[in-house]
Amino acid sequence: AQSVTQPDIHITVSEGASLELRCNYSYGATPYLFWYVQSPGQGLQLLLKYFSGDTLVQGIKGFEAEFKRSQSSFNLRKPSVHWSDAAEYFCAVVPNNAGNMLTFGGGTRLMVKP
Amino acid sequence: DVKVTQSSRYLVKRTGEKVFLECVQDMDHENMFWYRQDPGLGLRLIYFSYDVKMKEKGDIPEGYSVSREKKERFSLILESASTNQTSMYLCASSGLTYEQYFGPGTRLTVT
Repeated sequence: AQSVTQPDIHITVSEGASLELRCNYSYGATPYLFWYVQSPGQGLQLLLKYFSGDTLVQGIKGFEAEFKRSQSSFNLRKPSVHWSDAAEYFCAVVPNNAGNMLTFGGGTRLMVKP
Repeated sequence: DVKVTQSSRYLVKRTGEKVFLECVQDMDHENMFWYRQDPGLGLRLIYFSYDVKMKEKGDIPEGYSVSREKKERFSLILESASTNQTSMYLCASSGLTYEQYFGPGTRLTVT
């Protein structure tokens, strides 16, 4: 079945440390790829997106993500985490033949230690 | 900036009540969506609409209906609320470029 997987349900990092959140998808063709962030009690905010072209994309709040076709992955990274980054992060895809339908991963909850 | 607003942040209703959740977007987007979000289950699509008066079922439409009489407004209706509909409800909209923009969410409690 086609799906989006975020293998890590919870991640804890120290403030100032680097961060990588994993996302894998299982679609035949390269889908459109997104990362969203959700602060507690809030809606989802778009961090970045990948449609085509340069496989390293820059987003807001200092985040970046790299698309790796060979690994069917779209991992989110940040070189130095701030306490305000504590939130839940969702990877999402739009399969090429699915119009505007987003399929979400299960989410990764990030906790930041002082 | 795209703005998606939802009529209530918090709502408490009794079992059997009819509940209306309203969503308004100001970017002239064609597509609008209703999701529910539950711990451990992620986001699940209830209904979406790609045009005025058009609607399509998502993954979990049972117990819900929707209305889209104007392009900017998409309403989710719980005909007879039940306790298992206690959840966070998120509305989103999108235009031609696929990314969806979300409202702040409505946390509904049915007692």
